[in-house]
Amino acid sequence: AQSVTQPDIHITVSEGASLELRCNYSYGATPYLFWYVQSPGQGLQLLLKYFSGDTLVQGIKGFEAEFKRSQSSFNLRKPSVHWSDAAEYFCAVGTGGTSYGKLTFGQGTILTVHP
Amino acid sequence: KAGVTQTPRYLIKTRGQQVTLSCSPISGHRSVSWYQQTPGQGLQFLFEYFSETQRNKGNFPGRFSGRQFSNSRSEMNVSTLELGDSALYLCASSVPSGATDTQYFGPGTRLTVL
Repeated sequence: AQSVTQPDIHITVSEGASLELRCNYSYGATPYLFWYVQSPGQGLQLLLKYFSGDTLVQGIKGFEAEFKRSQSSFNLRKPSVHWSDAAEYFCAVGTGGTSYGKLTFGQGTILTVHP
Repeated sequence: KAGVTQTPRYLIKTRGQQVTLSCSPISGHRSVSWYQQTPGQGLQFLFEYFSETQRNKGNFPGRFSGRQFSNSRSEMNVSTLELGDSALYLCASSVPSGATDTQYFGPGTRLTVL
């Protein structure tokens, strides 16, 4: 069965600083990878996804992520964080096939942004 | 295009009661998935429906059930509510297409069980 680990429960950065949120997955084949963001009391908003092809994917709000098969990682990055980026971020893996429609999520990383 | 809508947004029930939550997918989307989000267990997959058929089910007791209608709208039902069922219930829809799909989430229904 697939699994996702987000090693950092809580990250604090200053506004304007760079950001990297870590995500490691466990799955035997090539997974379908996603990053979602959730503001308090809200649903999940899709930031970006990786299905195949270029391992560096661009998303909304200036975010990007890089798929590294050798490290089973899909880390999320942003060069300059804005105060509005404060939220909880979730990495998720989908495997398709018989598990179509099912995403497995990491525990989430809460991002705090200091002015 | 309107997003995924969920009703009601907030719900308070007492133990032993049952509850029905509703989800309207994005127009043209035919797959609907449901998730439970709690502080302790995080986001957990409940089930997924496509063309009125449940295709996948997570590891939840039989008290949790769902269905999908011909217009792709979906409902989930929880019977004999327990305190531990208090959670944010999220619905997601997708087209679907190809080997997998991109799921778009609604705002959720916050269920509180007293």
